[in-house]
Amino acid sequence: DAKTTQPPSMDCAEGRAANLPCNHSTISGNEYVYWYRQIHSQGPQYIIHGLKNNETNEMASLIITEDRKSSTLILPHATLRDTAVYYCIVRLSPANQAGTALIFGKGTTLSVSS
Amino acid sequence: ETGVTQTPRHLVMGMTNKKSLKCEQHLGHNAMYWYKQSAKKPLELMFVYSLEERVENNSVPSRFSPECPNSSHLFLHLHTLQPEDSALYLCASSQELLTGAQYYEQYFGPGTRLTVT
Repeated sequence: DAKTTQPPSMDCAEGRAANLPCNHSTISGNEYVYWYRQIHSQGPQYIIHGLKNNETNEMASLIITEDRKSSTLILPHATLRDTAVYYCIVRLSPANQAGTALIFGKGTTLSVSS
Repeated sequence: ETGVTQTPRHLVMGMTNKKSLKCEQHLGHNAMYWYKQSAKKPLELMFVYSLEERVENNSVPSRFSPECPNSSHLFLHLHTLQPEDSALYLCASSQELLTGAQYYEQYFGPGTRLTVT
């Protein structure tokens, strides 16, 4: 079962920041938070991941609360092409274990409109 | 070809047919995965291969049979499927380190849309 809770849907105006929340209150100390997204009829795409510190890359920023029980994915300037289902996933760092797979929940459907 | 490719992209088969889905990764990864995505349901892990050995099988019915002949190729052989097996079948790959606390993201293919009639 997925260990995260996300709102089923969100709307965002084009050019504005999209802030997607995720609750993971049962996260343990060695579990990372990952975000993927799936655009309609395509395979999921990796966005970002983090453990404790906030992270930023060319796609998004990830803000993790100090107690690590929740996080927020931020798309700073959403475009129409960002319309997708966004998945927040909690996963163990695979020390000494190969091929650990992702457990997907239902995600948040983000709709960006002009 | 780059990334992860899957063929065919669409497949319609009868319940008595035998068919195979193919996945190829061009990323030099050492782990490959099959996922199933049914309508309005989350992605479900089916099989995991690491270094060409199956490491996880999530209680998938025997009518689905995976094969990983080398680190770049993964097959899913299908036989006597049921209509409820109609779904999007996604392949993914990753470079997993066998020691240490490192993780590399999974790269997904575009999927095969399977319809069982």
